[in-house]
Amino acid sequence: QITLKESGPALVKPTQTLTLTCTFSGFSLSDDGAVGWIRQPPGKPLEWLALIYWDDDKRYTTSLKTRLTITKDTSKNQAVLIMTDMDPVDTATYYCAHSGGLGSYAFDVWGRGTRVTVSS
Amino acid sequence: DVVLTQTPVSLTVTPGEPASISCRSSQSLFDSDDAYTYLDWYLQKPGQSPQLLIYTLSNRASGVPDRFNGSGSGTDFTLKISRVEPEDIGLYYCMQRLKYPITFGGGTKVEMK
Repeated sequence: QITLKESGPALVKPTQTLTLTCTFSGFSLSDDGAVGWIRQPPGKPLEWLALIYWDDDKRYTTSLKTRLTITKDTSKNQAVLIMTDMDPVDTATYYCAHSGGLGSYAFDVWGRGTRVTVSS
Repeated sequence: DVVLTQTPVSLTVTPGEPASISCRSSQSLFDSDDAYTYLDWYLQKPGQSPQLLIYTLSNRASGVPDRFNGSGSGTDFTLKISRVEPEDIGLYYCMQRLKYPITFGGGTKVEMK
């Protein structure tokens, strides 16, 4: 059974750097699959942010590419998202999700999300 | 970037009646290399994380009732619920993963009459 859990600060100040950790179980990112990050501002739609594959291939959304870094630590079963220069518009619930099951790369299992507020 | 436009934005349904959501893409989502169409559907129930309903155009995810069906081709896609149940309320999103960046539609809110 695959599970994922997001962790990180609930509150960050403008201009600070946000580091979010996705800790997962039930699969290994050393030999298959991928982990993605998706966010949802309050009352707004889902927005895909980044994806890291088992072979360390990384993909980012166009508008935030300069601010995002995604990494993985296979020994800890974690995927980490770093977002620099945080702004109040980055206030959102951030989800990580597994990709690569079902023989496809849809996001088949999601974490519960972690809410991040950007405010001074 | 590929833009996905969902209609309607909101939908009020009667239990037991059918419902349909449209998702239109700014580009074809058909991959001629492998003949797959990379369009997925997700449901976000109130207060919950999104869950996968349909992947690669028309494949139901594990545990998804057969009243949910995905169809379409090229740039026009539809999610149909044959008989809506009260537990089907929430926000429905289409998502394309043929091209990076992955993009989501704006969502359709389904409410019960």
